[in-house]
Amino acid sequence: KAGVTQTPRYLIKTRGQQVTLSCSPISGHRSVSWYQQTPGQGLQFLFEYFSETQRNKGNFPGRFSGRQFSNSRSEMNVSTLELGDSALYLCASSESTTSGGADEQFFGPGTRLTVL
Amino acid sequence: AQSVTQPDIHITVSEGASLELRCNYSYGATPYLFWYVQSPGQGLQLLLKYFSGDTLVQGIKGFEAEFKRSQSSFNLRKPSVHWSDAAEYFCAVGAQIDDYKLSFGAGTTVTVRA
Repeated sequence: KAGVTQTPRYLIKTRGQQVTLSCSPISGHRSVSWYQQTPGQGLQFLFEYFSETQRNKGNFPGRFSGRQFSNSRSEMNVSTLELGDSALYLCASSESTTSGGADEQFFGPGTRLTVL
Repeated sequence: AQSVTQPDIHITVSEGASLELRCNYSYGATPYLFWYVQSPGQGLQLLLKYFSGDTLVQGIKGFEAEFKRSQSSFNLRKPSVHWSDAAEYFCAVGAQIDDYKLSFGAGTTVTVRA
């Protein structure tokens, strides 16, 4: 099976712009989670989608949003970008019906977002 | 509040020597425990996980971890380190109380010297 893929791998934006990142989970996986990784804050959970519904949410402002499509592919959107949004955004998929953390999550390579 | 602590930010070890990475957690009940490894420019790869049962867990790449409830610890070990083990290692915890959202430790960077 192909692994989790994320596009694009690298992205440069300026403050105030918005950005959309895409994640394609492993075939058959219905849960997709998003994480933000920064040197200062480490890995932080953003949200999880399961069967097109947001099932879990971390402590991020409303500028961060996501969605999941019927084929389980997911997108996350960040509006009104700030310098502090520069990070590696990781997507992870899992196959089970239980909420993400109880099951093995398979991570993609991430999208490196730089905000200038 | 739930938390995951990796006390060592950076560890340097000689190739062939043993390695132990520490992880402590603070949760109200026994959580689900994971160790992930991240190589530069890569995503995270699961090394091993503990849900229940035998407290000594074997993982991939020769790693093992031991769950000690009394110490709230889940330390990762490898008897003989290879140069390819140089990477960043993350301990992660999920618990029903948090709807199983994964909480990660700050990570430990392992450098392997020849």
